[in-house]
Amino acid sequence: EPEVTQTPSHQVTQMGQEVILRCVPISNHLYFYWYRQILGQKVEFLVSFYNNEISEKSEIFDDQFSVERPDGSNFTLKIRSTKLEDSAMYFCASNNRESLEQYFGPGTRLTVT
Amino acid sequence: AQSVTQLDSQVPVFEEAPVELRCNYSSSVSVYLFWYVQYPNQGLQLLLKYLSGSTLVKGINGFEAEFNKSQTSFHLRKPSVHISDTAEYFCAVSGGNTPLVFGKGTRLSVIA
Repeated sequence: EPEVTQTPSHQVTQMGQEVILRCVPISNHLYFYWYRQILGQKVEFLVSFYNNEISEKSEIFDDQFSVERPDGSNFTLKIRSTKLEDSAMYFCASNNRESLEQYFGPGTRLTVT
Repeated sequence: AQSVTQLDSQVPVFEEAPVELRCNYSSSVSVYLFWYVQYPNQGLQLLLKYLSGSTLVKGINGFEAEFNKSQTSFHLRKPSVHISDTAEYFCAVSGGNTPLVFGKGTRLSVIA
C-alpha cells in the first residue's frame, strides 16, 4: 500500500538555525499539507499546497516558514530561524482529488534547544 | 469557519466494555468528518470517514461512528474494547480538498 514518508524521524537543532523537513507524498496525490502537533496538544494546520503554489496557510505559518516542491516527488518545509516554540511533531499529509482522505506520514519530531 | 469539540479529554474503560468518544462540530459549509487514531509515538491513522450517504459509518478495528446532522455530532463507538485500543483519538472536519480542523483529542485508556 502506498504511504507518505518523512525524513528525518527526529531532528535536534539549536535556536536560530535553519531546518528543512522532508516529505514524499503518495505519487498520484495532488494536494499536500503540513501540520504540527506540540507535545500534548492538538494537531494544527500550517499550510496546504496545490498546483505548485500555496493554497492556504494558517496564522502560524509566518515569514519564518516556507514550503517547496523541488522536484516531482519531494515536498519540503523550511524553518529559517528556529525558535524554542517550534519544537513539535511535524506531519506531512496528502490526498487526491477524488478521495478526501488525507494520508499522514509518520512525522518528524523537531527539538529546538 | 469550522471547529471541532471533543467533549472528553480522557476516557478510562475496562477491557471488553463498550465505549463512546464524543465529537461535535460546527461548520457553515458541507462537512466531511473523520476520526484518526494516534498510538504512542506514532503518526495519525484514519479510523473512518463520513463523506456522504449512510450516516452510520464503519471503520477499522471494529469502530463505527454515526453522523447526526441535527445534533452536529459524529460520535465514535466500539462495542467491546481491547487493551490495544489504548491511544489518542482525534475527530476532524474538512470542507473538501481543504485542511483538516482537528479537535483536541480524547485519550482512551483501556484497563485490564
